[in-house]
Amino acid sequence: DAGITQSPRYKITETGRQVTLMCHQTWSHSYMFWYRQDLGHGLRLIYYSAAADITDKGEVPDGYVVSRSKTENFPLTLESATRSQTSVYFCATRLKAGANVLTFGAGSRLTVL
Amino acid sequence: GQQVMQIPQYQHVQEGEDFTTYCNSSTTLSNIQWYKQRPGGHPVFLIQLVKSGEVKKQKRLTFQFGEAKKNSSLHITATQTTDVGTYFCCEGGKLIFGQGTELSVKP
Repeated sequence: DAGITQSPRYKITETGRQVTLMCHQTWSHSYMFWYRQDLGHGLRLIYYSAAADITDKGEVPDGYVVSRSKTENFPLTLESATRSQTSVYFCATRLKAGANVLTFGAGSRLTVL
Repeated sequence: GQQVMQIPQYQHVQEGEDFTTYCNSSTTLSNIQWYKQRPGGHPVFLIQLVKSGEVKKQKRLTFQFGEAKKNSSLHITATQTTDVGTYFCCEGGKLIFGQGTELSVKP
């Protein structure tokens, strides 16, 4: 969707390097999420944020760091990338808590060598 | 933590055949959402079910929410090649996704 931009779309890095995946939304949605997608595991929630300066862990947070200083941005950082973090990462937004749908970005494919 | 189990993981059908994917939870779901992801794409919202026993239809797609709100299904009648992709259920409260069912359709 045009309202969510993820960058980079493709990234190859080496084990131990720091990598930051960016997510930017133009809707001012309160909630933002990071998921990773791996074969056999579906979509697993890494971290989410309910508003600026509010973040919380999801199912698989280990090895990841997030921040949200501005409502529109929600970067995901791998401080020391490992091969097991090779995956497709999706950012998503939701307007507010409750029964609202998720809108996903196009995804970032990360390969850790 | 809460888990949503989805089966089957893969389904290969001949065009025109029906297709069903099932989601099951050990705990009561507040609501359930369904998403479709085309090959190489991102998940896109299809529908949300909230009420016990709810049934909703979108053309050839029929979505059901169990009476106990612990299971849900998506049924596609007479599949077409445009139905190819991975279908995910998602517990709409905690946003826990099932593993997805990858559908391939042979023309």
